[in-house]
Amino acid sequence: RKEVEQDPGPFNVPEGATVAFNCTYSNSASQSFFWYRQDCRKEPKLLMSVYSSGNEDGRFTAQLNRASQYISLLIRDSKLSDSATYLCVVNEGGGFKTIFGAGTRLFVKA
Amino acid sequence: DTGVSQDPRHKITKRGQNVTFRCDPISEHNRLYWYRQTLGQGPEFLTYFQNEAQLEKSRLLSDRFSAERPKGSFSTLEIQRTEQGDSAMYLCATTDRSGNTIYFGEGSWLTVV
Repeated sequence: RKEVEQDPGPFNVPEGATVAFNCTYSNSASQSFFWYRQDCRKEPKLLMSVYSSGNEDGRFTAQLNRASQYISLLIRDSKLSDSATYLCVVNEGGGFKTIFGAGTRLFVKA
Repeated sequence: DTGVSQDPRHKITKRGQNVTFRCDPISEHNRLYWYRQTLGQGPEFLTYFQNEAQLEKSRLLSDRFSAERPKGSFSTLEIQRTEQGDSAMYLCATTDRSGNTIYFGEGSWLTVV
């Protein structure tokens, strides 16, 4: 079993749609969680951290379920510019124990 | 630009040649990482420095790979006797002392022909 698993997609959605991604992780002792965005042939960039209480940043909402060991990302009112790969990231304690999922590809079409 | 910078951005080399990539981190970040990313995969951890000390190496880092951070500032990643399977994007990243948020450089693309 992979340490961090994501549905690779692609998710093809129209502009304005709501789309959700899930990610599961295997290490119950994992300490911190993030979503990164990666555009084609670019480096990953931090989108948002994920907290147990859930957190929202504009159209983006991230949630963490420790009991079930999954993380979610919800994007509302999708824009063309949201088209990218979304990487689920789990930190098992210390920066070098950061594990990246393989990413979920999102295409938003007009 | 105060971000992480990498050089060269692209490198095409013949199989068997040696290549070296350089990373200049964010100046106040003492932790530096190298990752490798292939198509359709997330970044895979290669190695980690805290200041000049190399504290962790992945089993992915074969003996053809070596990384250094001689003065705790810039770092180099050398690949000797390159193989076609080494073709990937090599990402350098840094974190501050909390070690949480990772800031990536733009990556160095390696193509081995």
